[in-house]
Amino acid sequence: EPEVTQTPSHQVTQMGQEVILRCVPISNHLYFYWYRQILGQKVEFLVSFYNNEISEKSEIFDDQFSVERPDGSNFTLKIRSTKLEDSAMYFCASLNGRGPEATEAFFGQGTRLTVV
Amino acid sequence: SQQGEEDPQALSIQEGENATMNCSYKTSINNLQWYRQNSGRGLVHLILIRSNEREKHSGRLRVTLDTSKKSSSLLITASRAADTASYFCATDRGTGGFKTIFGAGTRLFVKA
Repeated sequence: EPEVTQTPSHQVTQMGQEVILRCVPISNHLYFYWYRQILGQKVEFLVSFYNNEISEKSEIFDDQFSVERPDGSNFTLKIRSTKLEDSAMYFCASLNGRGPEATEAFFGQGTRLTVV
Repeated sequence: SQQGEEDPQALSIQEGENATMNCSYKTSINNLQWYRQNSGRGLVHLILIRSNEREKHSGRLRVTLDTSKKSSSLLITASRAADTASYFCATDRGTGGFKTIFGAGTRLFVKA
C-alpha cells in the first residue's frame, strides 16, 4: 500500500533555530498539504501546494513558514525562527485529485516538533 | 467559519456495544471523510463519502451523510478495545483552494 513518509519522527530544537520537516508524498499525487496538531487540540490546516506553488494558506502560515518541493519527490516545510508555540505534531498529506474526483488524503505519521 | 464539528467530544462504552459519533459542518462539500488517530500517532483514513451518497459501509463502520442537515454520523458496531482512539471528520469543499478541514474530534474509549 502506498504511503506518505515523514522525517524525522521527532525533532527537538532551540527557540529561534530553523527547522526543516521533510515529507515524501505518494509518487503520482499532485496535491500536497501540511497540517499541524498542538497536543490535545484539533488538526489545523497550514498550507496546500499544487503545481509548484502555494494554493492556499491559513493565517497560521505566516512569514516564518515556507514550503517547497525541491526535487519532484520531497515536500518540505521550513520554519525559519522557531517559537515555543510552534511545538506541535506536523502532518504532511497528499492526494491525487480534487473536487468530485478527489480520493482520501493520505497522511504521514507526523513529525513531533518540540521547541525548547 | 469552522467546518467539521464532532459530537460528543468524548464517549466511553463497553466492548461489544455500538459507538455513534456525529459531525456537523457549515458549507457545502464535495465529500466528507472520517479519520482515526491513536494517541500521539498519525491519522488513519477510515472512509470517504461523497456528497451524492447517503450511506456507506466498510467492515464494522457505517457512515451516513445528510447534506440537507449538513451532518454525518459514524457508527462502529461491536466495538473492541482496539477501537479506542480519537475520531475526526474532515470535509472537502473542493472549490477554490482545496483543503480538508478537520473537526475537533471525538475521543472514544472502549472498555474491555
